[in-house]
Amino acid sequence: AQSVAQPEDQVNVAEGNPLTVKCTYSVSGNPYLFWYVQYPNRGLQFLLKYITGDNLVKGSYGFEAEFNKSQTSFHLKKPSALVSDSALYFCAVRRPYGQAGTALIFGKGTTLSVSS
Amino acid sequence: ETGVTQTPRHLVMGMTNKKSLKCEQHLGHNAMYWYKQSAKKPLELMFVYNFKEQTENNSVPSRFSPECPNSSHLFLHLHTLQPEDSALYLCASSQDLVGSTDTQYFGPGTRLTVL
Repeated sequence: AQSVAQPEDQVNVAEGNPLTVKCTYSVSGNPYLFWYVQYPNRGLQFLLKYITGDNLVKGSYGFEAEFNKSQTSFHLKKPSALVSDSALYFCAVRRPYGQAGTALIFGKGTTLSVSS
Repeated sequence: ETGVTQTPRHLVMGMTNKKSLKCEQHLGHNAMYWYKQSAKKPLELMFVYNFKEQTENNSVPSRFSPECPNSSHLFLHLHTLQPEDSALYLCASSQDLVGSTDTQYFGPGTRLTVL
């Protein structure tokens, strides 16, 4: 069965420091992986996705994610964190093509807190 | 975020009330989704529609009744809800269900409280 795991409920970093939000996945076949961010009282905003190609994917707001097939990971990264990056981050995997519906399976989310 | 709108943003209802949530997408997409987001739990897929046809009901209780009159609009009709149904209900859309690389775009959600 498809699944994603976000092992950390919360990540705390100081502004200006690099940040990493972890995600591991379990899929049959090729993984299609996504990162979304949710600010308080808002819906989810798309950050980036991995479909195929380069293992380093660049997305919105300076975020990037590294796909590692051997470690089945898709960690979200940013070289220099901003206080405004504080939010809830979700990793997601798309169900395999052919299944009824191609909706996303989400991790439980990781709260990122960036201190000034 | 304005590509997918949801109304109302907040809703408080009693267990005997009937209400409806509305979602509208302005992206020209053909697939629409309802998700439920409860505190401390992962997002749960509820329903999937493609070209107005329901393709998935993820074992959702019948007190939740979806309706998709066209590819741009999606409703969630609510009746005789329970307090545990209190959650953030999110609508999303994507180009269609065939394109496996399609990104889903989410609305801001409706915060539902059942008293």
